[in-house]
Amino acid sequence: KNEVEQSPQNLTAQEGEFITINCSYSVGISALHWLQQHPGGGIVSLFMLSSGKKKHGRLIATINIQEKHSSLHITASHPRDSAVYICAASSNNDMRFGAGTRLTVKP
Amino acid sequence: EPEVTQTPSHQVTQMGQEVILRCVPISNHLYFYWYRQILGQKVEFLVSFYNNEISEKSEIFDDQFSVERPDGSNFTLKIRSTKLEDSAMYFCASRWDRDTEAFFGQGTRLTVV
Repeated sequence: KNEVEQSPQNLTAQEGEFITINCSYSVGISALHWLQQHPGGGIVSLFMLSSGKKKHGRLIATINIQEKHSSLHITASHPRDSAVYICAASSNNDMRFGAGTRLTVKP
Repeated sequence: EPEVTQTPSHQVTQMGQEVILRCVPISNHLYFYWYRQILGQKVEFLVSFYNNEISEKSEIFDDQFSVERPDGSNFTLKIRSTKLEDSAMYFCASRWDRDTEAFFGQGTRLTVV
């Protein structure tokens, strides 16, 4: 069983739709990271959170420590949001990654 | 904005050859990491490095791999005798502290032929 599970694997949305990507983890963590990977391969950190909720522009990330679950929401989605979104759990000195959610936003 | 830089962006090497992947982490960061992503698969942790020594490594990071911070700015990953299955994208990352945001480089795509 993977230690970090994401759903869905693939997601296609129309521009303007509200997007939710889910992440569940089975390991103890010090923080949960949401990352964005574009087709060129580079990885950008979107959020790091250990409790509650964070917001940056149209992106919102939440975490429920008791349920070991986190969500990434995108409001008013846009084609430029198309990318792979990766959830990663960090503990001690390593980071365990989910398989990623491939998001395609159509105009 | 400070960034992690990796060179080269793409390296092709013959099986059995040694390769060195280079990374320049963000200057005031103290924790350094290498990850790899085989095409179509998830990102995997290789090794973390702090205070000039390895702090944790995965089962992937066997005797063929080594890391070094030779001069206080570069952070290198060496693969001694490359195998076909080492072909992957290798990412370097750095953090100021263990519980702070990780900054990733753009990756080095290693192709072993």
